[in-house]
Amino acid sequence: AQSVTQLGSHVSVSEGALVLLRCNYSSSVPPYLFWYVQYPNQGLQLLLKYTSAATLVKGINGFEAEFKKSETSFHLTKPSAHMSDAAEYFCAVSEGDTGRRALTFGSGTRLQVQP
Amino acid sequence: DVKVTQSSRYLVKRTGEKVFLECVQDMDHENMFWYRQDPGLGLRLIYFSYDVKMKEKGDIPEGYSVSREKKERFSLILESASTNQTSMYLCASSLGTSNTGELFFGEGSRLTVL
Repeated sequence: AQSVTQLGSHVSVSEGALVLLRCNYSSSVPPYLFWYVQYPNQGLQLLLKYTSAATLVKGINGFEAEFKKSETSFHLTKPSAHMSDAAEYFCAVSEGDTGRRALTFGSGTRLQVQP
Repeated sequence: DVKVTQSSRYLVKRTGEKVFLECVQDMDHENMFWYRQDPGLGLRLIYFSYDVKMKEKGDIPEGYSVSREKKERFSLILESASTNQTSMYLCASSLGTSNTGELFFGEGSRLTVL
């Protein structure tokens, strides 16, 4: 079975500071990994995804994530936070080619950006 | 752009009522999903469907059923709503041939059961 752990339910940074949101996964097969963002009263929007190509993945809005197999991690970073980045972020894992079509999500991290 | 539309953004129902949540996607996706979102628990899978009239239980199917009579429509049914089903419900879809599993989400239906 697959699972996702997001360390830190709330993260607060100053505008212009580095954003680091942590995600560790467990999967019995090579995984596909995703980060989604949710703004208030909206659905989830894909930020970026890892599908076994390059281990450093670049997404929208200046975010990127690095797949580290040895650490079973897929942390999300952004060099300089903007007020508009305030949202909830979800890491998710899919079991690659095994046929289970659903994603398993972490519990989410709410990012606050202080002026 | 992929469009997943959930018919009701906000609903208030009474305990014991039958509740229908409707979801329609316009991109000819084979797979459709219903998740429930609760604070601190993230998204949990209720049911999914990979073809018309096909359905599979997710991680928390108890108290729910689903219907998929047409490829573009996937309905979630609460036969007798209870207060512990107060939650945000998210519908999603994905390509059947896409083995990356990327999901496209609707904007959610916030259900309150009194």
